[in-house]
Amino acid sequence: KAGVTQTPRYLIKTRGQQVTLSCSPISGHRSVSWYQQTPGQGLQFLFEYFSETQRNKGNFPGRFSGRQFSNSRSEMNVSTLELGDSALYLCASSLPGTGQRTFYEQYFGPGTRLTVT
Amino acid sequence: KQEVTQIPAALSVPEGENLVLNCSFTDSAIYNLQWFRQDPGKGLTSLLLIQSSQREQTSGRLNASLDKSSGRSTLYIAASQPGDSATYLCAVMKVRGSNYKLTFGKGTLLTVNP
Repeated sequence: KAGVTQTPRYLIKTRGQQVTLSCSPISGHRSVSWYQQTPGQGLQFLFEYFSETQRNKGNFPGRFSGRQFSNSRSEMNVSTLELGDSALYLCASSLPGTGQRTFYEQYFGPGTRLTVT
Repeated sequence: KQEVTQIPAALSVPEGENLVLNCSFTDSAIYNLQWFRQDPGKGLTSLLLIQSSQREQTSGRLNASLDKSSGRSTLYIAASQPGDSATYLCAVMKVRGSNYKLTFGKGTLLTVNP
């Protein structure tokens, strides 16, 4: 079973530009979450999608947005990039947990390293 | 607001030593706790997941325990090897209806010296 894949693995952008990151979950997983990891703040939750709907959102500005497609693949978009957006962006997928007691175990991808100059 | 603390922030041990990593959390109403390993510049690899109703989980040389009432978890690594060198993160999950939230500690950087 293939793991979570993220593309691209590395990105260099300039301040003010926008960027789109992609995440393909493990086959059969319908929940996709996004996290930002920086040395200072650690891992911070951005948002979670399930069945093409955003179910949960962290405390990030509106410049950070996402979406999920019918095949559960997800994209994350950051507009008007700032230097502080430089980070490792991780996505994780898990089983649906639709009212049944499931483990919600998170499986992470390798991440996309975004550098804003 | 859930806060997760991991102590120590860094640990250096000689090969073969048994060691314990600590994780504490402020809100004991958790759904589960998960331990991850992260190699430099890489994603997270799930090591062990403990449901709130469980006390411990074991996988090979790893054993994780959970004491929900005191808000603590430990990850025990037996007979450490240089390949165990990585950052170890714990994360607690809270579930409300169909929503869940995972809160991470900042990790313990482990170095196992040959």
